[in-house]
Amino acid sequence: QITLKESGPTLVKPTQTLTLTCTFSGFSLSTRAMGVGWIRQPPGKALEWLALIYWNDDKRYSPSLKSRLTITKDTSKNQVVLTMTNMDPVDTAIYYCAHLIWLQFQFDYWGQGTLVTVSS
Amino acid sequence: QTVVTQEPSFSVSPGGTVTLTCGLSSGSVSTNYSPSWYQQTPGQAPRTLIYNTNTRSSGVPDRFSGSILGNKAALTITGAQADDESDYYCLLYMGGGWVFGGGTKLTVL
Repeated sequence: QITLKESGPTLVKPTQTLTLTCTFSGFSLSTRAMGVGWIRQPPGKALEWLALIYWNDDKRYSPSLKSRLTITKDTSKNQVVLTMTNMDPVDTAIYYCAHLIWLQFQFDYWGQGTLVTVSS
Repeated sequence: QTVVTQEPSFSVSPGGTVTLTCGLSSGSVSTNYSPSWYQQTPGQAPRTLIYNTNTRSSGVPDRFSGSILGNKAALTITGAQADDESDYYCLLYMGGGWVFGGGTKLTVL
């Protein structure tokens, strides 16, 4: 049974750096074809893909946010960390992490999401 | 950047059939984009319905089907039920990353 859970601050100030952790179970990111991605959703708006890391440490980023994002993994802890710099109120959103299998190209298991509010 | 387009809203009668589409602001959607479809109800994380154009995710009833129609990806719901009332998002794989559509709010009435 694959599960994922996001954790991190619920409130950050503008210009600060956001660090979110996705802790997962039921698979290993050292296993071929596994991937973990981050997706966000501002209140009342559409989903937006942010970043993904594969088992082989291949990293992919949304072109529009690439300069602000860093994704890393710690396979020993079953965790994936996303950092986003220079936070702005428009970055207020629910942030989800999700599991993906390479070549299926679907996010098949999702965390519950964590709401991050950017406000001074 | 290429925008992924979806109908903002759609309505269907109970028992009816509805087809939601997923296009590109420039160009055509093909199987190369590995389109997938997600259903989201308020307050919940998205749930995968279809991946790789037309493969149903585990546990998804066969009244949900995916295809390519013309130059767009399509999600067809046959025999719509009240609990199909949700937001539906398509996701395309392009340029090594992913882009979501703006979503379609489906009303069943």
